Amino acid sequence: DTEVTQTPKHLVMGMTNKKSLKCEQHMGHRAMYWYKQKAKKPPELMFVYSYEKLSINESVPSRFSPECPNSSLLNLHLHALQPEDSALYLCASSQDGRGYNEQFFGPGTRLTVL
Amino acid sequence: AQTVTQSQPEMSVQEAETVTLSCTYDTSESDYYLFWYKQPPSRQMILVIRQEAYKQQNATENRFSVNFQKAAKSFSLKISDSQLGDAAMYFCAYYNAGNMLTFGGGTRLMVKP
Repeated sequence: DTEVTQTPKHLVMGMTNKKSLKCEQHMGHRAMYWYKQKAKKPPELMFVYSYEKLSINESVPSRFSPECPNSSLLNLHLHALQPEDSALYLCASSQDGRGYNEQFFGPGTRLTVL
Repeated sequence: AQTVTQSQPEMSVQEAETVTLSCTYDTSESDYYLFWYKQPPSRQMILVIRQEAYKQQNATENRFSVNFQKAAKSFSLKISDSQLGDAAMYFCAYYNAGNMLTFGGGTRLMVKP
């Protein structure tokens, strides 16, 4: 199984809502990533968990909160988002946190903030 | 900081023809890895090909091959016998130890039937 799944596929939320994005992989990977991708732009790394240790991209606002309940699951909790946060959110996993390993991407969650 | 530049925002190719996508990068490191990732309109990004900087031989994966010029810091992707399914955004990416994967701005490839 080389699949990374993400739910939901689409999400529309207001600026006062709290929602969560979910990601799952069963490849035994020990690193998982959240990326934000704007239209016609490359993915921007938000967070990475490697062996359950979080690395943070310091430019990510605190209204985004990651959680890694176990090595197969990754959540991204959203609260008080802004319209400029509307984007495609991609989850990825790799064997470990070393960047030379292939990253396997999910299909993404298309987020719209009203 | 490392930078990756893809100078061609869009490219088009006739089906069955060959196309080359360009990528240049800036680094002071000698040991690093380079990648081409493909993101089709369905959005799921997949790895096309990977090159280790210490290897002189250019990587090849079926119809996909690279021209790795280390001194010139150039890493182009050649797609032979282009197929309609090759239509996608292609991202060049760079990695060296201690840093995260750095993507270029992408090239949108269109394949004409």
